[in-house]
Amino acid sequence: QQQVKQSPQSLIVQKGGISIINCAYENTAFDYFPWYQQFPGKGPALLIAIRPDVSEKKEGRFTISFNKSAKQFSLHIMDSQPGDSATYFCAASIVNIGGATNKLIFGTGTLLAVQP
Amino acid sequence: GAGVSQSPSNKVTEKGKDVELRCDPISGHTALYWYRQSLGQGLEFLIYFQGNSAPDKSGLPSDRFSAERTGGSVSTLTIQRTQQEDSAVYLCASSRGGTGVTHEQYFGPGTRLTVT
Repeated sequence: QQQVKQSPQSLIVQKGGISIINCAYENTAFDYFPWYQQFPGKGPALLIAIRPDVSEKKEGRFTISFNKSAKQFSLHIMDSQPGDSATYFCAASIVNIGGATNKLIFGTGTLLAVQP
Repeated sequence: GAGVSQSPSNKVTEKGKDVELRCDPISGHTALYWYRQSLGQGLEFLIYFQGNSAPDKSGLPSDRFSAERTGGSVSTLTIQRTQQEDSAVYLCASSRGGTGVTHEQYFGPGTRLTVT
């Protein structure tokens, strides 16, 4: 129930294309869903996050789509660039329950390669 | 301002030795998290601090692992009698903290631990 399932494991996209990464969860208590970007040798960096009261959030070229009934959320990277090549992790946590620690449960990661 | 810093960046130790990993969170961040990133297990939560207290230690894999935080700032993760399966990147994250509120977690660069 604590798992977050992420797909695909790897993704190759042409420059200018759309990259789509999907995640699914089981625990309906999750109420915070961030996406992190990680470059080799670096720590994960927060890209964008969403709460379940909205179905979509957009920041620049990055968009999260959230489907509460299906317990799924996805990251869309528009106009993908070679500089976007990195590993992307979805995550989920519980915020609004007494005693919640906001610890992140991560998906298994997606290695994105954007070809020039 | 300064981000989360961790030291050492790399640590090679012999099986059976003890190691200490250090995390300096962002100034003013009351919440501090330790995570572990390994090929086999992905990114997994270890322990959460709010101030100097650790209300959630549920991710520590064995009693060989312990952590403390002093002065509401620096944290040390100690692994006693290291085993080869402890080899991983140990990541520290901090956030402004508080329950019921979503605060972004900012990650440090990690300490790569190799147990030979």
